[in-house]
Amino acid sequence: GDSVTQMEGPVTLSEEAFLTINCTYTATGYPSLFWYVQYPGEGLQLLLKATKADDKGSNKGFEATYRKETTSFHLEKGSVQVSDSAVYFCALSPTQGGSEKLVFGKGTKLTVNP
Amino acid sequence: NAGVTQTPKFRVLKTGQSMTLLCAQDMNHEYMYWYRQDPGMGLRLIHYSVGEGTTAKGEVPDGYNVSRLKKQNFLLGLESAAPSQTSVYFCASSYTSGTPLAKNIQYFGAGTRLSVL
Repeated sequence: GDSVTQMEGPVTLSEEAFLTINCTYTATGYPSLFWYVQYPGEGLQLLLKATKADDKGSNKGFEATYRKETTSFHLEKGSVQVSDSAVYFCALSPTQGGSEKLVFGKGTKLTVNP
Repeated sequence: NAGVTQTPKFRVLKTGQSMTLLCAQDMNHEYMYWYRQDPGMGLRLIHYSVGEGTTAKGEVPDGYNVSRLKKQNFLLGLESAAPSQTSVYFCASSYTSGTPLAKNIQYFGAGTRLSVL
């Protein structure tokens, strides 16, 4: 079945460091891909998305590119801030049946220190 | 902007007790979902609904029941709570109109932290 694999955390960085969180997926067809973020004590919220190969999603300085050839959707940010401390989830929307559902990775906790 | 509201925020139950978690959304969304979040497991779909009066099973439905009597509300019930149901529960909702992709931009509530002793 469809699945999402994220790099295991936790990830701890200093402010202004470069961030990469790896995400790979297994799915039939051409799924849509998402990154959601969960700040402490809150629910998840959409960070960015991409719907087809080579699409780049971006928001709040974060970017991710849909790579069909490597089945990846890695999240990057050039300079992290303390306020970016959160749990990040990669997710996909299957293309076959049940397109209303999302399949989530296990999440990667990021802590940014001043 | 209320969005998705979950009640209660915290609850402690004894094994065998029952309870209902309420999710309410004010965005006129057709689709609603219940997830559980456990350490190291990510989010797992319990049940979902594609419209008023309809429900379907997700990945981990055992031990839970749901009802969608009104479009804006989605209830999750535990008939006989077990310690394995200790978790954080999240409700989410999404659009139906617009592009198909809009269905998958889910909006989440703040969660309910449930402990079963």
